[in-house]
Amino acid sequence: DADVTQTPRNRITKTGKRIMLECSQTKGHDRMYWYRQDPGLGLRLIYYSFDVKDINKGEISDGYSVSRQAQAKFSLSLESAIPNQTALYFCATKQSGANVLTFGAGSRLTVL
Amino acid sequence: AQTVTQSQPEMSVQEAETVTLSCTYDTSESNYYLFWYKQPPSRQMILVIRQEAYKQQNATENRFSVNFQKAAKSFSLKISDSQLGDTAMYFCAFLSNSGGSNYKLTFGKGTLLTVNP
Repeated sequence: DADVTQTPRNRITKTGKRIMLECSQTKGHDRMYWYRQDPGLGLRLIYYSFDVKDINKGEISDGYSVSRQAQAKFSLSLESAIPNQTALYFCATKQSGANVLTFGAGSRLTVL
Repeated sequence: AQTVTQSQPEMSVQEAETVTLSCTYDTSESNYYLFWYKQPPSRQMILVIRQEAYKQQNATENRFSVNFQKAAKSFSLKISDSQLGDTAMYFCAFLSNSGGSNYKLTFGKGTLLTVNP
């Protein structure tokens, strides 16, 4: 099994629908991240969490919310999806003090 | 805030030849890490190579090596003996190692490398 698992891998939804992307990890890392990748823009940070009670906004948090249900689980929600949220979303984890992030396989979201 | 710039949106190289991807960054910190990630069509983010800023010696991983110029804030990736499997998007990334800032990986916009047979 992968160290960082993202579900779903692919999702097509319609404008206005609520969508949740889920991330779970077996690394035991305390820090978890959600990034968004768009062509020509690289990866940009949406939200990050240092532990279950510590959640922080990244560069592009508008239109998104997150929940850290447990140390191993970090979900990203789009309350009312819009077409410009069509992107590839990555979850990543890191242990505090370490210098490497572990990435999930990505979730491709298409909003029609 | 740190910024990472990759000035080459696309590059191509012939199989077995050498190619260099450019990356520059901006930071006021002295202690940090730099990375090159590879993203093949499978879209998985794969760590290619890592450089610690306090180490003067350039990192090397098999056919991949970097030219780290700290004063110039430059971090280029050299791929030797290019293979078809090297075709991918390559991202340069920066991670601060300064206590409270050691949390965020900042990415460049990427360089799409195509290896031609």
